[in-house]
Amino acid sequence: EIVLTQSPGTLSLSPGERATLSCRASQSVSSSYLAWYQQKPGQAPRLLIYGASSRATGIPDRFSGSGSGTDFTLTISRLEPEDFAVYYCQQYGSSPNTFGQGTRLEIK
Amino acid sequence: EVQLVQSGAEVKKPGESLRISCKGSGYSFTSYWISWVRQMPGKGLEWMGRIDPSDSYTNYSPSFQGHVTISADKSISTAYLQWSSLKASDTAMYYCARQTVVTGFDYWGQGTLVTVSS
Repeated sequence: EIVLTQSPGTLSLSPGERATLSCRASQSVSSSYLAWYQQKPGQAPRLLIYGASSRATGIPDRFSGSGSGTDFTLTISRLEPEDFAVYYCQQYGSSPNTFGQGTRLEIK
Repeated sequence: EVQLVQSGAEVKKPGESLRISCKGSGYSFTSYWISWVRQMPGKGLEWMGRIDPSDSYTNYSPSFQGHVTISADKSISTAYLQWSSLKASDTAMYYCARQTVVTGFDYWGQGTLVTVSS
């Protein structure tokens, strides 16, 4: 089973700042089948990034993903008030699919 | 418009059985896997397993194998998650999600809250 470790656990930033979230895998993620999801309180998760770097339909271009192998990053270039939420990475290239424990992005 | 609509919240007693549902619409139901994801109160996301509705092939996480059953009825575009004997530790929000090989989990249901309490 591939274990995903996200850091930091909590990130405190202000609107307009740049956010960098990390996801490290215990072994290589096949074919970069790495996704990022955003979850707001009381809502279902929403797909942001798939294939490590492809934005899902309707996702603003301030969200970008990068990385390969075991190290992946989600970057939000300029934070908007609606971006403060919990973010999860997930690998879906091998079974069992696994999620990271999440990074909480909070307003400073 | 792609939609996954889940059944409503449930309150059950330990030992009872339960089946919750996830109905897909706006796309070809048999062309995409359906996965189930658990979120315990205040916790993260856990993948439980998935089903290919075209042939009902299932794949479970070892953590959930033997504890739940995933099934589907392609004639009514609906996937199911069921328990034969609930425990208090099954209290959680359960999400279904449409899954593809390339894009991961691209559409999610609204979630079904299951509460198990004596």
